[in-house]
Amino acid sequence: DIQMTQSPSSLSVSVGDRVTITCRASQSISTSLNWYQQKPGKAPKVLISGASTLQSGVPSRFSGSGSGTDFTLTITSLQPEDFATYYCQQSYGTARYTFGQGTKLEIK
Amino acid sequence: EVRLVESGGGLIQPGGSLRLSCAASGFIFSRSSMNWVRQAPGKGLEWVSYISSSGPTTDYADSVKGRFTISRDNAKNSLYLQMNSLRAEDTAVYYCARELYFGDKNWFDSWGQGTRVTVSS
Repeated sequence: DIQMTQSPSSLSVSVGDRVTITCRASQSISTSLNWYQQKPGKAPKVLISGASTLQSGVPSRFSGSGSGTDFTLTITSLQPEDFATYYCQQSYGTARYTFGQGTKLEIK
Repeated sequence: EVRLVESGGGLIQPGGSLRLSCAASGFIFSRSSMNWVRQAPGKGLEWVSYISSSGPTTDYADSVKGRFTISRDNAKNSLYLQMNSLRAEDTAVYYCARELYFGDKNWFDSWGQGTRVTVSS
């Protein structure tokens, strides 16, 4: 199975900061990489699919990049509503869609 | 509006069985692959199981293979997860999620609110 390693596991940040979260796959997954945001007690919400395609309604301060094994989620100018946990997910092939361990953004 | 509503969770003793359901509405259910994803208390997301749109293809995480069975009834717009031989480590919130495809890319675009399963004596 493809393993996803996400870092950091947590990040203490302030409103207005630029945030970068990385995700590494154990083998090449082309651009089959998705990013989700989850707030406490809520279901995850997809932000980015195919490594870099912003989902409808997601603010443009979110962006994704990467291909092969290394991927990045960037949030420019963090807003109060962005404090949440972020997960990467590989969707290479059919099924066995592993997630990264998550990155929790906390208020500094 | 796409809507997924899970049900069937609860408190169950180790070794017991439980059947989760996910009622779908707002889209053509029979055309969508579906998945179950779980989240243990305070932990991250874990993909559990997949079923193709017409149901012949299924897959499971190693942690549940042989104990859980995914199925669907397209006539009833419903997804199921039969969970047998439950263990304490199966304690989690279980989400059903629709898989959306565009070209060669796919992702989980819609999720239910989750149903909580607690395995404890």
